[in-house]
Amino acid sequence: SYVLTQPPSVSLAPGQTARITCGGINIGGRKSVHWYQQKPGHAPVLVVYDDSDRPSGIPERFSGSNSGNTATLTISRVEVADEADYYCQVWDSNNDYYYVFGTGTRVTVL
Amino acid sequence: EVQLVESGGGVVRPGGSLRLSCVAFGFILDEYGMGWVRQAPGKGLEWVSAINWNGANTGHADSVKGRFSISRDNARNSLYLQMNSLRREDTALYYCVRRIPGAAHAFDYWGQGILVTVS
Repeated sequence: SYVLTQPPSVSLAPGQTARITCGGINIGGRKSVHWYQQKPGHAPVLVVYDDSDRPSGIPERFSGSNSGNTATLTISRVEVADEADYYCQVWDSNNDYYYVFGTGTRVTVL
Repeated sequence: EVQLVESGGGVVRPGGSLRLSCVAFGFILDEYGMGWVRQAPGKGLEWVSAINWNGANTGHADSVKGRFSISRDNARNSLYLQMNSLRREDTALYYCVRRIPGAAHAFDYWGQGILVTVS
């Protein structure tokens, strides 16, 4: 099955830009990528879908891109409240009704 | 307000069975594909099962195929996960999720999760 690889952790200071990658074979040419934010003790929240669209209520600071073998979630002007685990996800269209999550990235805002 | 409320979790012996339920509030269930996602303690998210709007198409992760079965009752606004031959590695928080309509295949609403412990 399709595999999505994320860095285990990213650390940065408030106000900086976080870039969280999601690697997969030809992910840019084959897949729409979705991103979720999960804070401790809470259910995940969708922050970006279809590579770069934001659900209502998600700040413009969250953006996404997808090209080649890597999709990227970018968080501009990072805030302490953005500290969370982030997961990418795709629908594996080679297998009807089959979904894959990435390994997850812990974002720490120092 | 959209809400997904799971029930049916608990402690079960290895080899046992459990049936999870999810009731949907604030929207008409038969307009949406639905699914289940789980998270083992301290681990990442793992997709488990998915079903289309009328139940005609389903999918299961390789780790649960042949043991778990997803179903729905749109008249009751409910989603189900029948879990058989449970293993210790099935221990996790199970989330009921709603799929965005159309081609996005993203999950826009999540329940709070229900804990299943196999021990």
